[in-house]
Amino acid sequence: NAGVTQTPKFQVLKTGQSMTLQCAQDMNHEYMSWYRQDPGMGLRLIHYSVGAGITDQGEVPNGYNVSRSTTEDFPLRLLSAAPSQTSVYFCASSYLEVKGRSPLHFGNGTRLTVT
Amino acid sequence: GENVEQHPSTLSVQEGDSAVIKCTYSDSASNYFPWYKQELGKRPQLIIDIRSNVGEKKDQRIAVTLNKTAKHFSLHITETQPEDSAVYFCAASGDTGGFKTIFGAGTRLFVKA
Repeated sequence: NAGVTQTPKFQVLKTGQSMTLQCAQDMNHEYMSWYRQDPGMGLRLIHYSVGAGITDQGEVPNGYNVSRSTTEDFPLRLLSAAPSQTSVYFCASSYLEVKGRSPLHFGNGTRLTVT
Repeated sequence: GENVEQHPSTLSVQEGDSAVIKCTYSDSASNYFPWYKQELGKRPQLIIDIRSNVGEKKDQRIAVTLNKTAKHFSLHITETQPEDSAVYFCAASGDTGGFKTIFGAGTRLFVKA
């Protein structure tokens, strides 16, 4: 199993450009999510999904879109990049158990710089 | 929505000493509390977790305690080693609120040899 695969590893964008961060998992996890990590602010939830066709907003959703057309893939789209979106982005997935949650499996992250 | 506060933000201990990191959560419906370790430049990885029907869980040098009434949970690392140096995150999630997992801001642990 590859686990959670994120691409690209690094990306530099100019203000106003759009792009899609890719995330794929091969563990048949129902739950997938995107976090951004900024110094001193931990991991903040952007969007999440509990299954194909179902998405919801997290703590910091503005400026980002997601879709979940398959169980395996959960891309994150930046509509019009801003310098405030410079961050490290992590995709994470897990099973949804009957009695609560299971641990998150993280991808290796995407380091995004917006100039 | 859920809010998780984590203290301290930085912790420095001597090798062999114990380290304690504390978290509080706001949503009484949360029932799953994992702890993740993140080494520099790497992804977060689970080190231990606890569910709301358990008060304490131990795995070798690491233990987690949960006080549901006070909405507190803590990570205890005994006999610390230099390789324990990393950033540690607590998190909380539940069956309600969409199963989302909310993280604390992290604690940077330094273990001095």
